[in-house]
Amino acid sequence: AQKVTQAQTEISVVEKEDVTLDCVYETRDTTYYLFWYKQPPSGELVFLIRRNSFDEQNEISGRYSWNFQKSTSSFNFTITASQVVDSAVYFCALSERLFGNEKLTFGTGTRLTIIP
Amino acid sequence: DTEVTQTPKHLVMGMTNKKSLKCEQHMGHRAMYWYKQKAKKPPELMFVYSYEKLSINESVPSRFSPECPNSSLLNLHLHALQPEDSALYLCASSQVGGLASTDTQYFGPGTRLTVL
Repeated sequence: AQKVTQAQTEISVVEKEDVTLDCVYETRDTTYYLFWYKQPPSGELVFLIRRNSFDEQNEISGRYSWNFQKSTSSFNFTITASQVVDSAVYFCALSERLFGNEKLTFGTGTRLTIIP
Repeated sequence: DTEVTQTPKHLVMGMTNKKSLKCEQHMGHRAMYWYKQKAKKPPELMFVYSYEKLSINESVPSRFSPECPNSSLLNLHLHALQPEDSALYLCASSQVGGLASTDTQYFGPGTRLTVL
């Protein structure tokens, strides 16, 4: 069975500090996809990134960066120079194919609070 | 335009009421999903529709009845709910991936349901 672990339940940092959110996954599939979603207090899940298991290149998008390491089954997310608007719950997710459709297995989420 | 809309935003209903949640997308996606999210928990998959046909039912009680009238619309009919069904109900849509691909699920803002 697939499993995603986000060991950090809550993190608080002062604005402009860097912060890394950890994600560790388990799967027996050789082909899989990993995702990060942001959920602000409004409730909508906002897609941030998708990464497939064959692409271990790190990715940077503005203040966001992702580090995918297959050897340790980790897909960590770093926010540089954090801002108050980054305050949200962040979910890491792993996809599996089920009956021809994709099923997402979510981690339990990390609640990030940026203190002004 | 990655937009999934959901109505209503909030719903309060009694245990004997019948109500419906509505989800709409105009991205040409052919897979649509219902998720249930309790407070401080990750989303849990309820149903998946692929090409307007029910593909996955995650053992959801029959008091929840999904319907996909066309490729853009997804409804969730509610009847005889229990107070423990109070949650955020999220709709998502995606392309239907091939055997070796997956497609990102885009989420709507959700409906906050309270059952009295």
